[in-house]
Amino acid sequence: KQEVTQIPAALSVPEGENLVLNCSFTDSAIYNLQWFRQDPGKGLTSLLLIQSSQREQTSGRLNASLDKSSGRSTLYIAASQPGDSATYLCAVHGGGADGLTFGKGTHLIIQP
Amino acid sequence: EAGVTQSPTHLIKTRGQQATLRCSPISGHTSVYWYQQALGLGLQFLLWYDEGEERNRGNFPPRFSGRQFPNYSSELNVNALELEDSALYLCASSSSGDGVGETQYFGPGTRLLVL
Repeated sequence: KQEVTQIPAALSVPEGENLVLNCSFTDSAIYNLQWFRQDPGKGLTSLLLIQSSQREQTSGRLNASLDKSSGRSTLYIAASQPGDSATYLCAVHGGGADGLTFGKGTHLIIQP
Repeated sequence: EAGVTQSPTHLIKTRGQQATLRCSPISGHTSVYWYQQALGLGLQFLLWYDEGEERNRGNFPPRFSGRQFPNYSSELNVNALELEDSALYLCASSSSGDGVGETQYFGPGTRLLVL
């Protein structure tokens, strides 16, 4: 059974810093990996999707990498802003019919 | 383009009652997924519908059921509500009929509270 772990569980940094969020998964046979953000009490916003054949994806100040063989992904946020404060979720799709398997998220606070 | 919509936004029920949650996917999407986000448990896959059929369900009891209509909207029904069913229920849609390879787009969720 696939398990997804996100480290750290919470992170607080001053505005302007670059930061890295980590995601690991136990079964490397994934089809794709997605990073989402969730604002308090709200739904999920998709940030980046990395297919299993890809190594990284970039969108603006966000860069996500994928090392399928080691079961790891990182989300790099450059020049963090207070508006980046949210919970960041990593999810993997095993290619079957099981939907996405989510980590429990990293709660990020960017201090103004 | 309208995103995934869900109704109601909040729902309060008592133990033993039934709850019905609704989801409208993005136009052109045929797949609808339901997830439960209970406090402390993270997001868990509930059900997947595509082209009107249930394709798979997660590790939930049969009192969680649903359906997908010809216009691809979907309904999640929870019977015999229990206190631990209190959670945020999220619906997502994607354009892929085989359920893989495509981004899942999520709605704002329905927060169900069981008293």
